[in-house]
Amino acid sequence: AQTVTQSQPEMSVQEAETVTLSCTYDTSENNYYLFWYKQPPSRQMILVIRQEAYKQQNATENRFSVNFQKAAKSFSLKISDSQLGDTAMYFCAFMNWASGNTPLVFGKGTRLSVIA
Amino acid sequence: EPEVTQTPSHQVTQMGQEVILRCVPISNHLYFYWYRQILGQKVEFLVSFYNNEISEKSEIFDDQFSVERPDGSNFTLKIRSTKLEDSAMYFCASQYPGGYTFGSGTRLTVV
Repeated sequence: AQTVTQSQPEMSVQEAETVTLSCTYDTSENNYYLFWYKQPPSRQMILVIRQEAYKQQNATENRFSVNFQKAAKSFSLKISDSQLGDTAMYFCAFMNWASGNTPLVFGKGTRLSVIA
Repeated sequence: EPEVTQTPSHQVTQMGQEVILRCVPISNHLYFYWYRQILGQKVEFLVSFYNNEISEKSEIFDDQFSVERPDGSNFTLKIRSTKLEDSAMYFCASQYPGGYTFGSGTRLTVV
């Protein structure tokens, strides 16, 4: 079974600074997807970024980028130019690459506070 | 952009009562899911549904829970006799190749 570990329960960052959230995972699969989801106080689940395991290039979405190290099974999220609206819980998640039923496996989350 | 719609957004119920949480997934998606998030904890898989039957369920999804999609659009999660520990956010999601679309969740409070 796959597991996802987020070792930082809480982090804080000054506005406009850069912060990196860590995620490691364990799987015997070779093809899969990794995700970062943002959960603001409204508790909605918002997709931040997605990485396909077969791609060597790290995914980037505006101020958000990942450092995907497949051999090390590491998938960290970097937020550049942090904004107050980035304050939220961030969940790392794993999804097997398969057609059909593939439940997401989530980490426990990192609570990020952006300080003015 | 297509959305997954969940109703109600917040439900308060007495312990022992039955509740039905509703979801309208994206129509051309094939796999639908319910996840649960107890306050302050991680998101946990409950059940997946495909072709009008359960595809997979977790240990959490015991006999108190059931799912159905009676009319081909609404996808419901029923809890027969709620317990205090059922208080949580419940998320519906539908799956497309390579990802999910989540609903905005139903906050269930059992008192």
